[in-house]
Amino acid sequence: NAGVTQTPKFRVLKTGQSMTLLCAQDMNHEYMYWYRQDPGMGLRLIHYSVGEGTTAKGEVPDGYNVSRLKKQNFLLGLESAAPSQTSVYFCASSLAGLSYEQYFGPGTRLTVT
Amino acid sequence: AQKITQTQPGMFVQEKEAVTLDCTYDTSDQSYGLFWYKQPSSGEMIFLIYQGSYDEQNATEGRYSLNFQKARKSANLVISASQLGDSAMYFCAMRASDRGSTLGRLYFGRGTQLTVWP
Repeated sequence: NAGVTQTPKFRVLKTGQSMTLLCAQDMNHEYMYWYRQDPGMGLRLIHYSVGEGTTAKGEVPDGYNVSRLKKQNFLLGLESAAPSQTSVYFCASSLAGLSYEQYFGPGTRLTVT
Repeated sequence: AQKITQTQPGMFVQEKEAVTLDCTYDTSDQSYGLFWYKQPSSGEMIFLIYQGSYDEQNATEGRYSLNFQKARKSANLVISASQLGDSAMYFCAMRASDRGSTLGRLYFGRGTQLTVWP
């Protein structure tokens, strides 16, 4: 099992450019999440999905869009990147229920200049 | 509102000693889960230990134990016999339902940077 994978691992964008981050999981998890991690801030939830075809906003959704066309994939899009979106992005997945841990991908380090 | 507080930005411990990392939480939910994750300098998030709100005994996983005090709303991580490889950022997190949903999103604290010295 590969677990949770993310592509790309690193990316540098110029302000105004767009990009898509891909997350894939092979554990048949229903729930998937996108977080961003900034220094001193812990992880903050951007968007999440509780199943194929469903998405919802998290704590910091502005400037991002997501799609979950297939159960195993969760895409995070930046339509017009801004320097404030410079961060490390983590995808995670889990089974439903409060007792299940979330499995994290390795992260994507994004720099917007 | 759901909230996790880690008040120790940094902790230092000598190899082979025990260390406690503090975590307090705030929730009005009766059912929730408490988690600790380790993030080494390589960046990945590693799950360490889980404690359910209805669990009467403190969770243990090898050298990790969770000191759960429900009345005080604290969930401190205890690492026994510290090793150099334990040097990392440690995050406390709570999984609770939002407005009665079953989502169970994770709420993270800001982390504690642990340094183990020889």
